[in-house]
Amino acid sequence: GAGVSQTPSNKVTEKGKYVELRCDPISGHTALYWYRQSLGQGPEFLIYFQGTGAADDSGLPNDRFFAVRPEGSVSTLKIQRTERGDSAVYLCASSFTLGETQYFGPGTRLLVL
Amino acid sequence: DQQVKQNSPSLSVQEGRISILNCDYTNSMFDYFLWYKKYPAEGPTFLISISSIKDKNEDGRFTVFLNKSAKHLSLHIVPSQPGDSAVYFCAASEIEKLTFGTGTRLTIIP
Repeated sequence: GAGVSQTPSNKVTEKGKYVELRCDPISGHTALYWYRQSLGQGPEFLIYFQGTGAADDSGLPNDRFFAVRPEGSVSTLKIQRTERGDSAVYLCASSFTLGETQYFGPGTRLLVL
Repeated sequence: DQQVKQNSPSLSVQEGRISILNCDYTNSMFDYFLWYKKYPAEGPTFLISISSIKDKNEDGRFTVFLNKSAKHLSLHIVPSQPGDSAVYFCAASEIEKLTFGTGTRLTIIP
């Protein structure tokens, strides 16, 4: 079956621009997670959803970052006024329900110039 | 303050021998531990996990050991194969979110 998919695979933008990153979870998975991986580091938690609601957004670095999951399936991570420090790989994961194994997508590589 | 640490950034092992990857953690509230494998330009792939109520879990060539008193876990791969060459991340779960280590790059030498 299809795994987690993320689009775009690569995104280059200029400082100050707005970007949206999309995640399609595995069909039937109710929990969805966003992580960010900087060079030489492990993935760092940003936010997770159970259904449509953000159950924990404690990992979002500041209010320029926002994520939605309006219908409980696809999720979009939105970054306003991008900064060079936002450059990283943004990973999405999904699980059948909370507490189950998380399966990751290939990530979106964001480069802010 | 890193709660999950993988102190070896790299490890080289001869094909057919045992690979042992180590991970230490500091948060005693972690209740579930996982190992992920990552190839370049791909997302992490789940390998094996262990609950804090167990001390060992085995799946084919992969075995994870957990020592709660030492706050230490390890992944054993035996026998090691060339396809095992990748970056391995240890992760720990508290409630639902995962906290990852910085990874160990494993190279299997043919």
